[in-house]
Amino acid sequence: GQQLNQSPQSMFIQEGEDVSMNCTSSSIFNTWLWYKQDPGEGPVLLIALYKAGELTSNGRLTAQFGITRKDSFLNISASIPSDVGIYFCAGPILGGNYKLTFGKGTLLTVNP
Amino acid sequence: KAGVTQTPRYLIKTRGQQVTLSCSPISGHRSVSWYQQTPGQGLQFLFEYFSETQRNKGNFPGRFSGRQFSNSRSEMNVSTLELGDSALYLCASRRHGRSYEQYFGPGTRLTVT
Repeated sequence: GQQLNQSPQSMFIQEGEDVSMNCTSSSIFNTWLWYKQDPGEGPVLLIALYKAGELTSNGRLTAQFGITRKDSFLNISASIPSDVGIYFCAGPILGGNYKLTFGKGTLLTVNP
Repeated sequence: KAGVTQTPRYLIKTRGQQVTLSCSPISGHRSVSWYQQTPGQGLQFLFEYFSETQRNKGNFPGRFSGRQFSNSRSEMNVSTLELGDSALYLCASRRHGRSYEQYFGPGTRLTVT
């Protein structure tokens, strides 16, 4: 099936550092979505990517749609304590209408 | 614009009981999807409703069902609860059209004892 592999599984960084995480698949995706989930809450949509090679920013967050259409990257610059949470990538399953498949997530911890 | 709301936020049930969870989508959003989130399996798609019709279904047993009302509000029902049904149940709404962007509610934490 169209599985999404996220790496790293977890990261522990110091406040102010930049962060990079990625999502890969053996299948092609035509859309990539990045979400952040805080404990006990639902995922919040951060960035949506629709074109191969596209680079999109949302404040300190930047995401890229890989040119092979099989991967995507999320970067966070100058991390702050409130960046703590789980970051998920997601994409629509081919032929699944608007059904999304999610990666297992990257747990980010920021040390003040 | 108000976000997706889900009620209740927390629920404790015993095995064999049934439960109904409710979701109100963002105003103007006509598509509602439900997901189950567990530590072991992550986020898994349950089903999607649009215009009161189920459009998509995930790989869950028939004990999991849902419906959507004419005002786009949705409910999901789980009958004959099992311990393994303990999870965070998330509802997400999507604006009709070609957008894949789904917006999630805070979830309902279901604990089955």
